[in-house]
Formats: sequence, structure tokens, C-alpha cells
Amino acid sequence: QKEVEQDPGPLSVPEGAIVSLNCTYSNSAFQYFMWYRQYSRKGPELLMYTYSSGNKEDGRFTAQVDKSSKYISLFIRDSQPSDSATYLCAMGGNNRLAFGKGNQVVVIP
Amino acid sequence: EPEVTQTPSHQVTQMGQEVILRCVPISNHLYFYWYRQILGQKVEFLVSFYNNEISEKSEIFDDQFSVERPDGSNFTLKIRSTKLEDSAMYFCASHRGVMDNEQFFGPGTRLTVL
Repeated sequence: QKEVEQDPGPLSVPEGAIVSLNCTYSNSAFQYFMWYRQYSRKGPELLMYTYSSGNKEDGRFTAQVDKSSKYISLFIRDSQPSDSATYLCAMGGNNRLAFGKGNQVVVIP
Repeated sequence: EPEVTQTPSHQVTQMGQEVILRCVPISNHLYFYWYRQILGQKVEFLVSFYNNEISEKSEIFDDQFSVERPDGSNFTLKIRSTKLEDSAMYFCASHRGVMDNEQFFGPGTRLTVL
């Protein structure tokens, strides 16, 4: 079983739609959870950081963590063409981060 | 806003040559990392570094790799004898402390081994 699973399928949505992304994980040692945005051939940019189960909102972004199910989600409301990027989930617990494969999101104007 | 910087942005080298990738982490950060991302694949952890020593390393980080913090600002990754499969984006990351572990990434160095 992979440590972090993120279905890498591309996602195309119309502008204004809600984007829903998720990851599952198997390592119970993970204590904190992040979502990064990455543009082609650029470094990951930190979007959201959480360390407890529940929801965290930041503007149009909501991160959700369910530790009992080992499942995390990212929701983007009112999506904009500028949100088009690859979104990576990442989890950490002991210095290092383990990443998912990433979802390429395209928001169509 | 402070950010992690990396140089060079692109490095082309011949197989068997040594390369040094450079990073300047955010100034008040104490924990430093190197990750790599082969084209089309996930970001993979290489090594973490704290208090002038390696904290953890992955199985990728073999004897051909080394890290160093030669002064108060730079953090380097050296690959002694590059292989074709070392071609990847290499990212440096840092965070402030054990209770403040949001990792911020640099823009990456694209390493091409010919």
C-alpha cells in the first residue's frame, strides 16, 4: 500500500465551479497535512496547512482532514482560471514530507 | 516576503561529473530539506538537516550525495558522480521549528545529466 495516494487524473471545471481534491494515506504517524500548488517546472507553493481533524478555511480554499479515515480534502470555491495548476497533497510527521502524485486542475473561462 | 532561493535554475552536466546545487533558506529557519521530482513523477524526499547534521535520509540519498551548510546562509547538495537517472528538479525547503513545520520550497534547480 502506498504511503500517500492521490488519484492523478486531470480535472477540468468551468469557471465558478467548486473543485474537490482528495488524498488518502496509510501512515498513522503523519501529524500534519498540507496542500501545495505547483505550476509547470516551478517549486511547490504552500496553500494550506492543518494538523488536526476538521476543516480549515482560507478565502476560497477549505482543507479538510479526517484522521480516523486517513483522508484529506481540498475544496476550491468559485474557481478562477488563475487556479489552473497542479495541486499536491503532502503529509509529515517526522521531518520529512510524503507527497501525492498531484492533480492537474484546469479552470475553463 | 522572505523566500527560499536556489541557484542555478538549470544545470546541464555530463554523466560522471560532480554538481553542487545551492540553496539559501529563509533566514530564521532552522530545518532544511532537499527533495527531487523526476519529470511527471511525485516529489520525493531526499534528506533533512538540522543543527549541522543530517536528521533523516531516504534510500535515494546514497553515498553519491552529500549536504553541507558551509556558512550561516547557504545549504548545498552535492552529487559526486552524476548518473542519467539523477536528471530531475531538485527542490530545497525549510521551516522554522519543530512546532512551526510549514515547509516552504524554493523554485528548484533543473538538473540535466547527459
